[in-house]
Amino acid sequence: LAKTTQPISMDSYEGQEVNITCSHNNIATNDYITWYQQFPSQGPRFIIQGYKTKVTNEVASLFIPADRKSSTLSLPRVSLSDTAVYYCLVERGNTGFQKLVFGTGTRLLVSP
Amino acid sequence: GAGVSQTPSNKVTEKGKYVELRCDPISGHTALYWYRQSLGQGPEFLIYFQGTGAADDSGLPNDRFFAVRPEGSVSTLKIQRTERGDSAMYLCASSPGTGGEQYFGPGTRLTVT
Repeated sequence: LAKTTQPISMDSYEGQEVNITCSHNNIATNDYITWYQQFPSQGPRFIIQGYKTKVTNEVASLFIPADRKSSTLSLPRVSLSDTAVYYCLVERGNTGFQKLVFGTGTRLLVSP
Repeated sequence: GAGVSQTPSNKVTEKGKYVELRCDPISGHTALYWYRQSLGQGPEFLIYFQGTGAADDSGLPNDRFFAVRPEGSVSTLKIQRTERGDSAMYLCASSPGTGGEQYFGPGTRLTVT
């Protein structure tokens, strides 16, 4: 699976939009991009998954350019409760079992 | 409905002792995964069950680690002769089938003194 690279940490303030970019240069044709969120002392939680262009749900948006070598997780109007670690993962499609491969993630700190 | 639960939430044990960590997946989920997370790192895959059988145990670090899922629901991760390096958060996840979103439990924090 393609290795992912994302910033180690980011700081923001309440009400701002946060964009976390992940690079996955060696992504394969049938790979998907998935983002998980993890709060301290909790297990990770699925946020969003996409293949190309743009995906939006009630929590976030995911932007994937045409070459799919990177992706951007966008969190609109963050609040203090969005302080967490965000993981970008590449998952192989149509293979059933997925052994999730997490990197070190991006630690987002939202301040008042 | 109820999510994935793990017991105990915390476990402190002495070096050399045996420990068991339990995972109750979401009802009806056939796939169950164990991960281990060290401080400041992302979770690392240990083992995956589809039903009762271990479909992939390639992440188990050595033969001191073993996991079972005898009835295709609850799973137990067993660690023999614990070492200080085994100290970590042990996470369990389940999913409805072999693919799709994984639902994680709150983890068991294991400390080996």
